[in-house]
Amino acid sequence: EPEVTQTPSHQVTQMGQEVILRCVPISNHLYFYWYRQILGQKVEFLVSFYNNEISEKSEIFDDQFSVERPDGSNFTLKIRSTKLEDSAMYFCASSARVPYNEQFFGPGTRLTVL
Amino acid sequence: GENVEQHPSTLSVQEGDSAVIKCTYSDSASNYFPWYKQELGKRPQLIIDIRSNVGEKKDQRIAVTLNKTAKHFSLHITETQPEDSAVYFCAASDNTGTASKLTFGTGTRLQVTL
Repeated sequence: EPEVTQTPSHQVTQMGQEVILRCVPISNHLYFYWYRQILGQKVEFLVSFYNNEISEKSEIFDDQFSVERPDGSNFTLKIRSTKLEDSAMYFCASSARVPYNEQFFGPGTRLTVL
Repeated sequence: GENVEQHPSTLSVQEGDSAVIKCTYSDSASNYFPWYKQELGKRPQLIIDIRSNVGEKKDQRIAVTLNKTAKHFSLHITETQPEDSAVYFCAASDNTGTASKLTFGTGTRLQVTL
């Protein structure tokens, strides 16, 4: 069964550094999402992406964040200047369709900002 | 925006007993309600979902009910087994816009004891 994949599984970085988190959505899916989960808390929406542009973004997704689909398979989340509070698990998700979008999640990237 | 409340935060049941987790939502436009199971350190896995034109849906030991008037929905797990132990998240989506986000509840840690 196809799955969403993410790399790396764990990223450690220094405050102020740039990080790029990578995702490969399920191949026939058209809608892509990033969520984050701070340890022990709920999953929070960051951004949705369709047809090579952002569909919606949350208040968390400020100017330090950007997303890109550089080719036909990858979907990336960039954080330009990481802060301590960016430490979280970042999940990529994809969906084949809307409405009633069944979203399938990747295994996550644990980002630790020191 | 949408707000999803989830109760209880922890739930301990004996193997074979039933477990019920309840969620309420605030946005009457929400029309899709998935439930995710998250084992420690793993990705959220979709286990069941319900659409607003349906009042109840069942899949083997798992069932979900939806009361649109009261804006609440519940997950029922019967004949619980140790492998049901995990954190369960409810979510809601209004499926408006190009790619609809999920708003998650705060999670319920279910412990099934022998």
